[in-house]
Amino acid sequence: DVKVTQSSRYLVKRTGEKVFLECVQDMDHENMFWYRQDPGLGLRLIYFSYDVKMKEKGDIPEGYSVSREKKERFSLILESASTNQTSMYLCASTRRQGVSYEQYFGPGTRLTVT
Amino acid sequence: LAKTTQPISMDSYEGQEVNITCSHNNIATNDYITWYQQFPSQGPRFIIQGYKTKVTNEVASLFIPADRKSSTLSLPRVSLSDTAVYYCLVGDRAAGNKLTFGGGTRVLVKP
Repeated sequence: DVKVTQSSRYLVKRTGEKVFLECVQDMDHENMFWYRQDPGLGLRLIYFSYDVKMKEKGDIPEGYSVSREKKERFSLILESASTNQTSMYLCASTRRQGVSYEQYFGPGTRLTVT
Repeated sequence: LAKTTQPISMDSYEGQEVNITCSHNNIATNDYITWYQQFPSQGPRFIIQGYKTKVTNEVASLFIPADRKSSTLSLPRVSLSDTAVYYCLVGDRAAGNKLTFGGGTRVLVKP
């Protein structure tokens, strides 16, 4: 059974803090993704990675960075958290090969920046 | 990336069939159509994927006409637990299985 885990379900941080969101998958997937989800806006892709140390910007990368030092782990970093980064953050993974677009999602981290 | 358009919300009753139609006029030749389901406070879950004609699995059916400019997700005999948001997506394999999620369709199943 594929499992994608995220380090926290709920997180509260102060404006200006550096925030790390961790994601780990146990299926040896090449591709990993970070999304944020806001009411009325659906899911928006922040960054994705198709290999260790590789990263690509998604649709809304501003204010975020990522790190992928190991295949199973993909970290999202907020260098200086701001209130407009209050959101639900979702991590996902999938295999690179084949035609399937089945992404496996984690449970999400609800981040509040005060 | 192909853009999708789907209804914002739909109401139904237990035992009925729910059909959600998605428009994707700019779908590319190599794009597949994928549907996800999301319950509150959970990540989306893959339901079904297709390229053309009809695909069926234990959860749903997907109907895709020959021009592939739209698709219809069919949920047979829904129950209260099918209340969720359903997303229609088309994929871009050239960008590493990158997907673009739209706003989705909020389906409310009533008793």
